[in-house]
Amino acid sequence: DIVMTQSPDSLAVSLGERATINCKSSQSVLSSSNNRNYLTWYQQKPGQPPKLLIYWASTRESGVPDRFSGSGSGTDFTLTISSLQAEDVAVYYCQQYYSTPLTFGGGTKVEIK
Amino acid sequence: QFQLQQWGAGLLKPSETLSLTCGVFGASFSGYYWNWIRQPPGKGLEWIGEIDPSGSTDYTPSLKSRVTISVDTSKNQFSLRLSSVTAADTAVYYCARGRRVAYYYDNGGYRHRAIFDFWGQGALVTVSS
Repeated sequence: DIVMTQSPDSLAVSLGERATINCKSSQSVLSSSNNRNYLTWYQQKPGQPPKLLIYWASTRESGVPDRFSGSGSGTDFTLTISSLQAEDVAVYYCQQYYSTPLTFGGGTKVEIK
Repeated sequence: QFQLQQWGAGLLKPSETLSLTCGVFGASFSGYYWNWIRQPPGKGLEWIGEIDPSGSTDYTPSLKSRVTISVDTSKNQFSLRLSSVTAADTAVYYCARGRRVAYYYDNGGYRHRAIFDFWGQGALVTVSS
């Protein structure tokens, strides 16, 4: 199984400031056949199901604000919220879909400082 | 408007069988992959398994001996059964739609990869004696 490790477990950021979340996979999720990283990011607000933010490591899902961006390749990935808004308070998860079983990171809780 | 609606028993005793159903409303059932994912209280997400409209399944190895995912295309529903539950199976169970983003030939067969683009609201299942 591919193990996904996120850091930090939590972070507090002032409104309007940048939030950065890291995700590391135990093996590469970059496909040599299509040169794409099989990595998604989800946002989960309290009492709600997760919501898809980004796939292919950097492609925003339709309707997702452009303050959310994903980067990285191979085994190291980053989700950046460029200017934190109050509605961004949530837990963020990375997930690999390179191979089954599909696996998630442990989550990073983002709060307002 | 697309919706996933879940239902099933919320309180079980150890050794009983968990049974949940997810109804798909407002969109085609075919062309997608249908998943179950769970989240123990205060913890992270665990993928349980997937079924496609033809009935082909894929399960996470740690639960494979106890899990059955089935589909009823005539009702646009898919279901989860998890046998011999213990307290460790206490979790919010989500159904989720898998949107295919990759399809390729590998090792004698075609494989797909999908992302979870819509989730049900979740159903808390508690296992307690």
